[in-house]
Amino acid sequence: GQQLNQSPQSMFIQEGEDVSMNCTSSSIFNTWLWYKQDPGEGPVLLIALYKAGELTSNGRLTAQFGITRKDSFLNISASIPSDVGIYFCAGLNMDTGRRALTFGSGTRLQVQP
Amino acid sequence: DGGITQSPKYLFRKEGQNVTLSCEQNLNHDAMYWYRQDPGQGLRLIYYSQIVNDFQKGDIAEGYSVSREKKESFPLTVTSAQKNPTAFYLCASSIVWTSGRLREQYFGPGTRLTVT
Repeated sequence: GQQLNQSPQSMFIQEGEDVSMNCTSSSIFNTWLWYKQDPGEGPVLLIALYKAGELTSNGRLTAQFGITRKDSFLNISASIPSDVGIYFCAGLNMDTGRRALTFGSGTRLQVQP
Repeated sequence: DGGITQSPKYLFRKEGQNVTLSCEQNLNHDAMYWYRQDPGQGLRLIYYSQIVNDFQKGDIAEGYSVSREKKESFPLTVTSAQKNPTAFYLCASSIVWTSGRLREQYFGPGTRLTVT
């Protein structure tokens, strides 16, 4: 099946630092979504991307849909303690017949105040 | 107040018993999904449904069953055939554009199932 490689697996940063994480795939996607999950809760949608090259922001978060359609990245600027959590990327290409998202394994972010 | 409801938040069962997890949405979404999450892991797809009375197996469907009799409801039954049922179960729903593209996907709060 489709595989998504998400990196890094974990990050420990100081408050105020910028963060970057990415996902790569061996196959093409036509939708990329980024989620944040707090412990014991369901993932919350942060940003949705639908077009190759698209760059979208949501407050301090910025995500891009890679030109090759095989990758995406998420940046968080000026991190704050409430950014702590697990960030997941998810991709979809319904043309393959699989009509459901494939998820990366997550990036665990810890922010030191 | 629109959203996805999963109940209960915590569920305990004895080994060998079937258990049904509830998922209801009032977002008028066409598609619904069930995922399983193990500690420190990502989300794995169990089953999904694009329309009422239709559903497809995901990556780890063995030992699970679903039904989609109503648009707003997609219950998941964890059967005794599931070898390692203890996990965090997440339900999600999404709009599917007429072009066939998925338009965002939202998750419920999850149900933590413990089987002993």
